[in-house]
Amino acid sequence: EVQLLESGGDLVQPGGSLRLSCVASGFTFSDVAMSWVRQAPGRGPEWVLSLSGNSVDTWYADSVRGRFTISRDNFKNTLYLQMHSLRAEDTATYFCAKMRGHPPSSYHMDAWGKGTTVTVSS
Amino acid sequence: QSVLTQPPSGSGAPGQRVTISCTGSNSNIGAGSDVHWYYQLPGKAPKLLIFRNNIRPSGVPDRFSGSKSGTSASLAITGLQADDEADYYCQSYDSSLSGWVFGGGTKLTVL
Repeated sequence: EVQLLESGGDLVQPGGSLRLSCVASGFTFSDVAMSWVRQAPGRGPEWVLSLSGNSVDTWYADSVRGRFTISRDNFKNTLYLQMHSLRAEDTATYFCAKMRGHPPSSYHMDAWGKGTTVTVSS
Repeated sequence: QSVLTQPPSGSGAPGQRVTISCTGSNSNIGAGSDVHWYYQLPGKAPKLLIFRNNIRPSGVPDRFSGSKSGTSASLAITGLQADDEADYYCQSYDSSLSGWVFGGGTKLTVL
């Protein structure tokens, strides 16, 4: 069974930094692309970043480009999201998601973690 | 304003058929990108419902079906049940944005 478990969410001040982690199990982690998707309270999901299985290809949403970085450790089956210069509008639940399909036009998220909450506020 | 447009709400009585639309543009659905559908219960993570326009993952009942035409896609639910009450989202890839986009979501109410 595929399992994704996020951690690291916290209350952080504007301008601050935070690192999220996602531990994966139940599939060959290094074979698949992974994504971070966030959802602000009362809003729909918003794709944020994706990273290929071998870390060669990275895709960024414009809203986080230059501030957020995605990385992975395939030995630890762990995906990371490093966030800098956090803004109030980054407040959301952040989900780790497993990607499936042929990139990019067929990519979809076939498994999701339960999410971790990031609140940016003074 | 979402790149993919969905009606914010929909409803139907138990047993009825409902459809949810997802309207895109020539940089996403109209460009040939596949459409995928997710449902989400309050406080839970989204869950894949339909992928590649019309394929159901294992375990999803055949009451759910998807279609795509031109710059739009639709999700149909037949034999509506009380536990179908949820938020539904479409998702595709946008070549102008070089990223994946979601619809704003449709809150389905079972009357």
